[in-house]
Amino acid sequence: QVQLQQWGAGLLKPSETLSLTCAVYGGSFNDYYWTWIRQSPEKGLEWIGEITHSGSSTYNPSLRSRVTLSVDTSKNQFSLIMTSVTDADTAVFFCARGRRSDYHYFIDAWGNGTTVIVSS
Amino acid sequence: DIQMTQSPSSLAAFVGDRVTITCRSSQSIANYVNWYQQKPGQAPKVLVYAASTLQNGVPSRFRGGGSGTDFTLTISSLQPEDFATYFCEQTYRTPWTFGQGTKVEMK
Repeated sequence: QVQLQQWGAGLLKPSETLSLTCAVYGGSFNDYYWTWIRQSPEKGLEWIGEITHSGSSTYNPSLRSRVTLSVDTSKNQFSLIMTSVTDADTAVFFCARGRRSDYHYFIDAWGNGTTVIVSS
Repeated sequence: DIQMTQSPSSLAAFVGDRVTITCRSSQSIANYVNWYQQKPGQAPKVLVYAASTLQNGVPSRFRGGGSGTDFTLTISSLQPEDFATYFCEQTYRTPWTFGQGTKVEMK
């Protein structure tokens, strides 16, 4: 049974950099798409991007200029960096595991979520 | 981006009721739709993928259907543990996008 444990700073000031990390326990690290999704009342669920164990990444174009995903296969961890945050980035951030089944992709495991508040 | 529009945004129902939630995409996406259930304070949980395939362990009272631009999630007999918010998601083209959610409340 896979478990995703995430952590990172939850209170930021505008213009600061958000950094979150997610550790994967159980299951293969190689066969999935390691994903970040955020949720806010204003925007709902928003897919930020995903990365594979080899470092191949896909980003949401709306966030691409500020987001970097990385992976550390030695620790079975993946990370999100988001620069120049504003109050519009206030949200619950989830790490998640995406999988493909017969060409269909879906999220089958989630972290508990980190509440990120951006406030001066 | 492909827009996903859910309806209704909320509904109230009795235990035992049949409930149907609809999701419409802004362009044809074949059957590349997933459905998730989210309870307060928890992460979403996948119920259905590829429009109609039930994820392992999900009760058979949940059924997904549709193709092209119109999709449905039906709960055949609502149970107390089904009161939650439901989201559709398209995975036809990145960025993957979600509907705004349908909150199912107890009447």
